[in-house]
Amino acid sequence: AQSVAQPEDQVNVAEGNPLTVKCTYSVSGNPYLFWYVQYPNRGLQFLLKYITGDNLVKGSYGFEAEFNKSQTSFHLKKPSALVSDSALYFCAVRLFIRGSQGNLIFGKGTKLSVKP
Amino acid sequence: EAGVAQSPRYKIIEKRQSVAFWCNPISGHATLYWYQQILGQGPKLLIQFQNNGVVDDSQLPKDRFSAERLKGVDSTLKIQPAKLEDSAVYLCASSLDRVPGELFFGEGSRLTVL
Repeated sequence: AQSVAQPEDQVNVAEGNPLTVKCTYSVSGNPYLFWYVQYPNRGLQFLLKYITGDNLVKGSYGFEAEFNKSQTSFHLKKPSALVSDSALYFCAVRLFIRGSQGNLIFGKGTKLSVKP
Repeated sequence: EAGVAQSPRYKIIEKRQSVAFWCNPISGHATLYWYQQILGQGPKLLIQFQNNGVVDDSQLPKDRFSAERLKGVDSTLKIQPAKLEDSAVYLCASSLDRVPGELFFGEGSRLTVL
């Protein structure tokens, strides 16, 4: 079965330090992987995606993610965290359905807290 | 460009009552999704429409949940009768078919069942 796991419920980091939010996946075939962010009382917002090509993908707000096929991971990273990055982050994998674009399976989310 | 609109934002009902949520996707987006997000969990797909046809409703509890998208634009999700475990945020999202996986979400409808 296709699935995605986020092993950390919460990540705490000081402002200005690098951050990493972890994600591992289990899919058959080539994965389509995504990161979304959810600010309090708001809907999810797309950050970035990996479909094919370069293993390092860049997205919104200075975030990037590294696809590692051998470790089946797609960790989210940012070189220098901001207090405003504090939010809930979801990793997702696309589930293929014959005849359609498929839909996303989300991880349980990781709460990122950036302290001044 | 207007985003995905959802209403109501908040709803409190007693168990066994009914409730309906409405969603208007971004103009031109053929695919519409309803997700259920229980506190502390990631969103779980309930139903996916492409235009006015159902693509996937395998996780929709059909004994109590129903959804429609009659004209291929806006959609309604109904719960009847509601149970305590239905307390969640119901998220509507839409997407362009040519950009797989990039979903645009509304702000959600928070349901509390007492």
